[in-house]
Amino acid sequence: GQSLEQPSEVTAVEGAIVQINCTYQTSGFYGLSWYQQHDGGAPTFLSYNALDGLEETGRFSSFLSRSDSYGYLLLQELQMKDSASYFCAVRDQGGSYIPTFGRGTSLIVHP
Amino acid sequence: DGGITQSPKYLFRKEGQNVTLSCEQNLNHDAMYWYRQDPGQGLRLIYYSQIVNDFQKGDIAEGYSVSREKKESFPLTVTSAQKNPTAFYLCASSEDRYSNQPQHFGDGTRLSIL
Repeated sequence: GQSLEQPSEVTAVEGAIVQINCTYQTSGFYGLSWYQQHDGGAPTFLSYNALDGLEETGRFSSFLSRSDSYGYLLLQELQMKDSASYFCAVRDQGGSYIPTFGRGTSLIVHP
Repeated sequence: DGGITQSPKYLFRKEGQNVTLSCEQNLNHDAMYWYRQDPGQGLRLIYYSQIVNDFQKGDIAEGYSVSREKKESFPLTVTSAQKNPTAFYLCASSEDRYSNQPQHFGDGTRLSIL
């Protein structure tokens, strides 16, 4: 099966940069995704990495190192609206390619 | 606009009762999924369906049942055999399970026991 580890909570101030790490164990890695979820809402897709390196989408970037079974989500120029939970999810060939989600990281942005 | 609609938003279940959660999508996606989310937890897969009239158990299927009679619809029944049903239930869809395209989620149904 698959397992993922990410910090349970991260705090930062407005305008800062924050990095949310995700380590995973899988037997047939296929890709790593990041989702954002505000309290009581639907998860929304942020980014996807299948190959090593950095993917940038506006203020958000995601990095993957397959050799280290590690990825991170980088949020720049933090805004109050970025306060939410962030989930990494790994797709595994042995898991029918369906994403397995981590427990989520609660990001709290202070003024 | 295309999307996924879940209903109801809130649902209450009595002891020994089966309840059904609705999920409809107009994205023309082949694959649909049901997840359960408990407080402070990630999403756990209950069932998924790759095509009409076919579905597969996920990690926590016991006490749940599904059907996929139409491409657009994937209802989830929480049976009386599910002894701890209180949770937030999320339905999702994607082009298919092999695609790199992301999953799209509905707004969820919050189920509680009366």
